[in-house]
Amino acid sequence: EAAVTQSPRSKVAVTGGKVTLSCHQTNNHDYMYWYRQDTGHGLRLIHYSYVADSTEKGDIPDGYKASRPSQENFSLILELASLSQTAVYFCASSGRESNTEVFFGKGTRLTVV
Amino acid sequence: GEQVEQLPSILRVQEGSSASINCTYENSASNYFPWYKQEPGENPKLIIDIRSNMERKQTQGLIVLLDKKAKRFSLHITDTQPGDSAMYFCAASKASGSWQLIFGSGTQLTVMP
Repeated sequence: EAAVTQSPRSKVAVTGGKVTLSCHQTNNHDYMYWYRQDTGHGLRLIHYSYVADSTEKGDIPDGYKASRPSQENFSLILELASLSQTAVYFCASSGRESNTEVFFGKGTRLTVV
Repeated sequence: GEQVEQLPSILRVQEGSSASINCTYENSASNYFPWYKQEPGENPKLIIDIRSNMERKQTQGLIVLLDKKAKRFSLHITDTQPGDSAMYFCAASKASGSWQLIFGSGTQLTVMP
């Protein structure tokens, strides 16, 4: 089965601190995504990438940066963490063809205090 | 931005009965509609999808209906079992051929024995 691995699985961060969430996929997929999950909002796209060394803004990019140093790795960076960024973050990947299955990692629970 | 509305947000059914979840989308160019199931503490997993060239798809106790005119699609789970208890998300592609998905806000389904 396609594998997307996220680290850490949970994290407590201090307001104003820097947070980096990491994601690694072994699916040989071109597309990678970062989603945020909040109760009542489902999954919302923060950033995505379709090729190494390039990232694109999703629907809610403010306060987040992304980095895709290789096809396998995709990071989400919170330069100045805020309370409102407390959420569960999911990394995902999908193949080159559109309208295909998106494979999700198990999520990172981030709590900003 | 574009939205996918999903109802109901909470659904409780008796074991053996059917469960239905409805979603509506805004962009008539959307052409791919997947459904994801997320169990507690787990990653969302694709359970069934439908493309715009179809009106109905069925697999293993799941039925998906698509009404392009009304911009509405629905998931029907027949003969529900306790193992069907989970969060369900519908999604729609942002546009025809787009890699981006817009997710509904989720339905928490509980199947009562």
